[in-house]
Amino acid sequence: KQEVTQIPAALSVPEGENLVLNCSFTDSAIYNLQWFRQDPGKGLTSLLLIQSSQREQTSGRLNASLDKSSGRSTLYIAASQPGDSATYLCAVKGNTPLVFGKGTRLSVIA
Amino acid sequence: GAGVSQTPSNKVTEKGKYVELRCDPISGHTALYWYRQSLGQGPEFLIYFQGTGAADDSGLPNDRFFAVRPEGSVSTLKIQRTERGDSAVYLCASSLMSASDYNEQFFGPGTRLTVL
Repeated sequence: KQEVTQIPAALSVPEGENLVLNCSFTDSAIYNLQWFRQDPGKGLTSLLLIQSSQREQTSGRLNASLDKSSGRSTLYIAASQPGDSATYLCAVKGNTPLVFGKGTRLSVIA
Repeated sequence: GAGVSQTPSNKVTEKGKYVELRCDPISGHTALYWYRQSLGQGPEFLIYFQGTGAADDSGLPNDRFFAVRPEGSVSTLKIQRTERGDSAVYLCASSLMSASDYNEQFFGPGTRLTVL
């Protein structure tokens, strides 16, 4: 059974710092991995999707990498801003619909 | 175009009552998914539709939960004899197709269900 773990559970950084969020999964037989952002009381906003054949994806200040063989992904956020404060979730799709981690709650302090 | 919409945004009910939660997917998306998210947890899969049929309902916790998508667009999640443990945010997502590698899922804002 696929299990997804996100470390750290919570993170607080000063504005302007670069940061890395980690995601690991137990079954490397995946089709893709997706990173989401969730603001309090809101739904999920898709940030990046990495297909199993890809190593990384970039969107603006965000860069996500995937190492399928080791079961790991990282989300790199450059020059963090207070508006980046949210919970970040990673999810993997294998032969079942998306399996999510519990998320990393990020606070960027001005 | 419009994203995934869900109604109601909030639902408060009493233990033992019946509730229906509605999801309107993005137009043209053939795959539709229901998830449940408890406080401090990631979403957990409930059921997924490809067109009108439930392709995978393995995540439904018990037979009090049922979902339909009669015309391959709007879906309704139905919960009978609600229990306090059913309190959660119910999220709906849709994707263009499910079999492809590239099946980015787009989520609605969710329905927050509270069972008193």
